[in-house]
Amino acid sequence: LAKTTQPISMDSYEGQEVNITCSHNNIATNDYITWYQQFPSQGPRFIIQGYKTKVTNEVASLFIPADRKSSTLSLPRVSLSDTAVYYCLVGAHNTNAGKSTFGDGTTLTVKP
Amino acid sequence: NAGVTQTPKFRILKIGQSMTLQCTQDMNHNYMYWYRQDPGMGLKLIYYSVGAGITDKGEVPNGYNVSRSTTEDFPLRLELAAPSQTSVYFCASSYRDRDQPQHFGDGTRLSIL
Repeated sequence: LAKTTQPISMDSYEGQEVNITCSHNNIATNDYITWYQQFPSQGPRFIIQGYKTKVTNEVASLFIPADRKSSTLSLPRVSLSDTAVYYCLVGAHNTNAGKSTFGDGTTLTVKP
Repeated sequence: NAGVTQTPKFRILKIGQSMTLQCTQDMNHNYMYWYRQDPGMGLKLIYYSVGAGITDKGEVPNGYNVSRSTTEDFPLRLELAAPSQTSVYFCASSYRDRDQPQHFGDGTRLSIL
């Protein structure tokens, strides 16, 4: 089972860079790592996905070390609107290795 | 392009009643999923489908049933509602399971009293 571990909560201030790390020791060879953002009363929204090394898009970067047993979501210059819960999801549901799971996520609070 | 649409948005049921949560997507995605999210917790997979006519259980399937007769629709059925099923239910879809992101609906908030 592709279980993930994240910090329960993090605090930051506007304009700072925030790094959220996810541990996934049981990641399988073919598993991708996907990060989602969720605001209250809304469904999760895709942020970024990667397999190895570094991926960057217009909102975030994803760093994955060579052993792939962890990953770090980096949010540059956060604002108040980035206050949300962030989930990492590893793998897929339809695999012989077992079904991936959403953990309890990391609640990020951005302060003015 | 509506994405993933869930109905109803809110519902209150009495213990023992039945209902169907509707989910439809217009992105021609093969994969569809049902999750439940309890307060302050992450999402738990109930059922998923890899295409029309094919469904499989997730982590917490007990008390629920699904069907997938078309690519677009993936309804979730509660047969005998119990207080433990009070939760927010999210439907999602994706083109592929492994390397494509899931697109989520806005959820159905269900209370069972």
